[in-house]
Amino acid sequence: AQSVTQLGSHVSVSEGALVLLRCNYSSSVPPYLFWYVQYPNQGLQLLLKYTTGATLVKGINGFEAEFKKSETSFHLTKPSAHMSDAAEYFCAVSEGKFYFGSGTKLNVKP
Amino acid sequence: GAVVSQHPSWVICKSGTSVKIECRSLDFQATTMFWYRQFPKQSLMLMATSNEGSKATYEQGVEKDKFLINHASLTLSTLTVTSAHPEDSSFYICSARDPLRDLKDTQYFGPGTRLTVL
Repeated sequence: AQSVTQLGSHVSVSEGALVLLRCNYSSSVPPYLFWYVQYPNQGLQLLLKYTTGATLVKGINGFEAEFKKSETSFHLTKPSAHMSDAAEYFCAVSEGKFYFGSGTKLNVKP
Repeated sequence: GAVVSQHPSWVICKSGTSVKIECRSLDFQATTMFWYRQFPKQSLMLMATSNEGSKATYEQGVEKDKFLINHASLTLSTLTVTSAHPEDSSFYICSARDPLRDLKDTQYFGPGTRLTVL
């Protein structure tokens, strides 16, 4: 079965600073990769996804992620954090069904 | 587009009663829906995959007689927690695939239902 690892259950950045949330997966075959964001007491909103083609994927709210096959990684970045980015972020891998990482809670300090 | 709703958004019930949660795809037809539960400060755990017109496929360790899933139409799946107990208290989230919009496994999630069993 797939495993998805998100390093850092909590990440804290200052407003305007770079956001980097890490995700590594275990599949030997490139899967479909997703990042979702969850605000308190809400469902998950799709930020971006990688299926095929360009390895740098741009999503909503200024986020982007790069698929690196050699590193089995799909890290999420945003050049400049905003207070409204504070939320929990989940990386997911799809092989028919989804396998989620444990989540990273992003805190943005003023 | 690709909006998924859930009803109710929260429910409190007494131990031993049954609770039904609805999941609807509002602007697309979903042949496949998924049910997850999420404990506080944890990730989502897939409970079952629901296919329209057929029996749901349950993940290992999920009691199918306790968590009844019905996917009677292309826009509605229901999860019934039977004889609920306090340990069933959790956040239940459904998701759906839109095969016409996206062939690449993307799931669209509902807003979740907070179940509290007293």
